[in-house]
Amino acid sequence: NAGVTQTPKFRILKIGQSMTLQCAQDMNHNYMYWYRQDPGMGLKLIYYSVGAGITDKGEVPNGYNVSRSTTEDFPLRLELAAPSQTSVYFCASRGTGTYEQYFGPGTRLTVT
Amino acid sequence: TQLLEQSPQFLSIQEGENLTVYCNSSSVFSSLQWYRQEPGEGPVLLVTVVTGGEVKKLKRLTFQFGDARKDSSLHITAAQPGDTGLYLCAGDNYGQNFVFGPGTRLSVLP
Repeated sequence: NAGVTQTPKFRILKIGQSMTLQCAQDMNHNYMYWYRQDPGMGLKLIYYSVGAGITDKGEVPNGYNVSRSTTEDFPLRLELAAPSQTSVYFCASRGTGTYEQYFGPGTRLTVT
Repeated sequence: TQLLEQSPQFLSIQEGENLTVYCNSSSVFSSLQWYRQEPGEGPVLLVTVVTGGEVKKLKRLTFQFGDARKDSSLHITAAQPGDTGLYLCAGDNYGQNFVFGPGTRLSVLP
């Protein structure tokens, strides 16, 4: 099992550009999460999904969109990138009835 | 809005010392998790506590969940340089999503 994979690992965007951060898991987990982590801080929830076709906003959803067309994939879309979106983005998944979240390695995004 | 606070924010100690870090909230959580995160990596789960008053031990680490399920502590005995990292607590919002605290950054000097 590869676990949770994220691509790309690093990306530099110009203000106003758009991009999609990819996340995939091969553990057949229903729950998936997107977090951002600013330097020296904890994680803030952007969006989450409890299963294919179902998504919901977290604490900081503005400027982002998600979709969950399959169990495996949970891409995060940034439209009109802003410097405030400079951060490290983590995707995580969790199985139904379990507590443990499995995290991907993260995507480091810089918007200049 | 549910919030978790962690203290201290930073902690630098010598190898062999003991330490305790705290995670506090005004909200009740169905469970609480502790993660350790190393630079450039995602968080890795250390433990989940579920029952109020519960104590769990993981080698030199002891975790306690408050009776009211609003707070938790992590105690490390005889800290080692390998314990260095960012310690995060996360509250489980009744199975839907998680709220993370800002973390305690621990540095154990040899």
